[in-house]
Amino acid sequence: ILNVEQSPQSLHVQEGDSTNFTCSFPSSNFYALHWYRWETAKSPEALFVMTLNGDEKKKGRISATLNTKEGYSYLYIKGSQPEDSATYLCAPISNFGNEKLTFGTGTRLTIIP
Amino acid sequence: EAQVTQNPRYLITVTGKKLTVTCSQNMNHEYMSWYRQDPGLGLRQIYYSMNVEVTDKGDVPEGYKVSRKEKRNFPLILESPSPNQTSLYFCASKGQNNQPQHFGDGTRLSIL
Repeated sequence: ILNVEQSPQSLHVQEGDSTNFTCSFPSSNFYALHWYRWETAKSPEALFVMTLNGDEKKKGRISATLNTKEGYSYLYIKGSQPEDSATYLCAPISNFGNEKLTFGTGTRLTIIP
Repeated sequence: EAQVTQNPRYLITVTGKKLTVTCSQNMNHEYMSWYRQDPGLGLRQIYYSMNVEVTDKGDVPEGYKVSRKEKRNFPLILESPSPNQTSLYFCASKGQNNQPQHFGDGTRLSIL
């Protein structure tokens, strides 16, 4: 089982504030990293696919960076809105030639209006 | 519309009564997978399949079976369900390489 850690486990942020959280994973045999957004009572939806060290991806107010050498990725949300409330999951994929996926336990973000 | 469809969405049943949760995708994806989600444990992979007739164990395969006779379908079978299999189950599929997964809407199973 791949050791994936996400921190913090939960986060409460005032509307309008910016925030960020972390996904840590083994740096050896890295292949790719996926970020997903999971709203309550819905299914997870893909946010970003990241592959290269130094990658930075952006979608609206949400962006992510990747450091494959040290084994972490940051997700940033600028100017948080109530609709950003969700659990954010990361899933690193290792280069073992298979597609066994391990998700982190997620960061549960709550935006306070 | 591209989608992953799971059935049933909800099921309450009793210990030992065989059940099957179906999963179907219309995106011609090679890869399909089953997960269970439990409080505090996140999504854990049960089984996955990289193509027709190719299946492999995930992290928590005990008590489950799968089959992949056709590309679009990947049913999850509980031959003799037990209460510790009460959970929320998700099926997902994806295309090749780095494509992200598309998830179904989930199936909530309660085993009494």
